[in-house]
Amino acid sequence: DQQVKQNSPSLSVQEGRISILNCDYTNSMFDYFLWYKKYPAEGPTFLISISSIKDKNEDGRFTVFLNKSAKHLSLHIVPSQPGDSAVYFCAASSWETSGSRLTFGEGTQLTVNP
Amino acid sequence: EPEVTQTPSHQVTQMGQEVILRCVPISNHLYFYWYRQILGQKVEFLVSFYNNEISEKSEIFDDQFSVERPDGSNFTLKIRSTKLEDSAMYFCASSGPSGVNQPQHFGDGTRLSIL
Repeated sequence: DQQVKQNSPSLSVQEGRISILNCDYTNSMFDYFLWYKKYPAEGPTFLISISSIKDKNEDGRFTVFLNKSAKHLSLHIVPSQPGDSAVYFCAASSWETSGSRLTFGEGTQLTVNP
Repeated sequence: EPEVTQTPSHQVTQMGQEVILRCVPISNHLYFYWYRQILGQKVEFLVSFYNNEISEKSEIFDDQFSVERPDGSNFTLKIRSTKLEDSAMYFCASSGPSGVNQPQHFGDGTRLSIL
């Protein structure tokens, strides 16, 4: 299942700088997109979401951008903090599916260095 | 902040045995889900549940699997006659109350090990 893809398995940034995590999707029926953060031995924690009628959503240090024509979304974290070090998953759901199933990407391991 | 709780955190079971994974969703949520993540693979959708019935299931969710909301707070996943390939982290999630374009909130998972 390659409908949601995160091409970078890992990303390393310095504390205080911007982290940019990327995600691509192929299913044009996806209309709701989410980012989750996951620490080891914990479940995914919801961070931020965006519906397809918007191209940007901001919540504190986290901003999600959606480019529907490119089928691409990104998560910006500014400023990055060492506590942000985790695996980040993007996920998407489609109006087609009655059950609102989420389709996940592979995840990107973010490391923020002090 | 309300959270989804899952028990047990780790379950070890002999192949062929039945296992029940338990979840307590967030109290005012109406939509419930199970996902799994096999080691090194993506998080995969198994099933969604609303109004006491399955609303969607994946191709993974075959006759070996069943879900139930036995009372007003618990949501369970039963796996009959477990196989080695059922070894995975199983995550429960809930959302609501509207269900549409609402974030799903996940528990910390049950690690299922089939021997």
